[in-house]
Amino acid sequence: EVQLLESGGGLVQPGGSLRLSCAASGFTFSSYAMSWVRQAPGKGLEWVSAITGSGGNTYYADSVKGRFIISRDNSKNTLYLQMSSLRAEDTAVYYCAKATVTTGGHFDLWGRGTLVTVSS
Amino acid sequence: DIQMTQFPSTLSASVGDRVTITCRASQSISSWLAWYQQKPGRVPKLLMYRASSLESGVPSRFSGSGSGTEFTLTISSLQPDDSATYYCQQHYSYPVTFGGGTKVEIK
Repeated sequence: EVQLLESGGGLVQPGGSLRLSCAASGFTFSSYAMSWVRQAPGKGLEWVSAITGSGGNTYYADSVKGRFIISRDNSKNTLYLQMSSLRAEDTAVYYCAKATVTTGGHFDLWGRGTLVTVSS
Repeated sequence: DIQMTQFPSTLSASVGDRVTITCRASQSISSWLAWYQQKPGRVPKLLMYRASSLESGVPSRFSGSGSGTEFTLTISSLQPDDSATYYCQQHYSYPVTFGGGTKVEIK
């Protein structure tokens, strides 16, 4: 079955760190760019970061640049998001999303999301 | 960064009505625009890509048009199941950006 499954969310204090994972199955993981997209409670979708299929290029929203690091392990079919210096405004459901080509594209597959809550 | 402005932010229409949502890009994105539907508590679902291509399995009452900076998503005959929030997204260049969303309510 083609699916994405996020994990690693939870409650973290401001200034803390967290690593999210996204396990992919049912498709050739290394052939597609992957992104993280978040949605704060009651708000719209916000793209966070992307990584090309090979992992050679990464991209970040200004709001997370310098604090978040996206990576992937194609041997494990897994996408990661290392989040540090977390702020209250990072509180959101984090979705991983599969793009349609190795460099990017629209998102044709989404995970169910993992909730990150930044609070003291 | 390319800004995506979506309007209206909310709309209320009756079953059977024709509904149009507009998305405007701050610079040309050719046809690199997608539309997503999200119902409360659910994952976003791809509806349209490349501005006017219908994703497999999406009802034909949905259609998209436009290129450059102005795009529209049209529901030809609104159904109760279409109650949701709709987002446009440009993937012409990084950073990828989404519109603010349009909440469609059924009268």
